[in-house]
Amino acid sequence: GAGVSQSPSNKVTEKGKDVELRCDPISGHTALYWYRQSLGQGLEFLIYFQGNSAPDKSGLPSDRFSAERTGGSVSTLTIQRTQQEDSAVYLCASSSTPTGTGELFFGEGSRLTVL
Amino acid sequence: GDSVTQMEGPVTLSEEAFLTINCTYTATGYPSLFWYVQYPGEGLQLLLKATKADDKGSNKGFEATYRKETTSFHLEKGSVQVSDSAVYFCALSENTGGFKTIFGAGTRLFVKA
Repeated sequence: GAGVSQSPSNKVTEKGKDVELRCDPISGHTALYWYRQSLGQGLEFLIYFQGNSAPDKSGLPSDRFSAERTGGSVSTLTIQRTQQEDSAVYLCASSSTPTGTGELFFGEGSRLTVL
Repeated sequence: GDSVTQMEGPVTLSEEAFLTINCTYTATGYPSLFWYVQYPGEGLQLLLKATKADDKGSNKGFEATYRKETTSFHLEKGSVQVSDSAVYFCALSENTGGFKTIFGAGTRLFVKA
C-alpha cells in the first residue's frame, strides 16, 4: 500500500499484559514518529526515529514503553505491564524530510484498551 | 519548551459562516507551522503549512498566515461547508535540533446545514 500502515487497528488487553504495536511507514521515508492520542486530548509526542536511531525519546511516559526500528523501515512500540491509563489511540507517522519542514503522513492508528 | 495553544472547541457554525480557529505558539527558534485535519473516521492529514514568517499557507479555501510578531497562525475560511466538520490541529516543528512536531489539543468543528 502507499500509505502508513499500523497494526493491530484495535487491541483489547488485560492490565499487566505486554502489547506490541506495529508501524509500516511509507517506503523511502527516513523519519518515523509515534504519538499517543487520548480521548478528547491532543497528540502527545512519544518518540522520533531518523533511520534506525532514535535521537529523541523524550516523550516516552515511563520505562514500560520502548520502541525500535529495523532496516530503516518497520517500527514496533512495546508497552510492558500495561496499565489502564495506557488506553489511547497510538498513531504512527512518517516523513521523507529529515528536518522539521516536511509533512507528516499518519496511519489510522492502533486503538488500545486496557481492562 | 516549545508549545502550541489553540482555541477550545467545539465550534458550531451554520453553513456559509466565516471560520476562525486561533492558534498561538511558543518556540525557541524559527519553527515551521502546520494545520492538520482529522475527518470523522479518518487519519490526520496535512491541511496547510508555512515555513517562515509572513508566509501564507492555503488549501481547500482555508488559509493561515505565519505571524512572528504575534506568534500566531490562525486558521480562517470564508464560507464553511458541512463537509468541513472535523477536528483541526495546529502544530509546529523546529527546523534544527529536535525535529519532533508538537501539536495543539485540537478544535472540533461542527457545521450545520
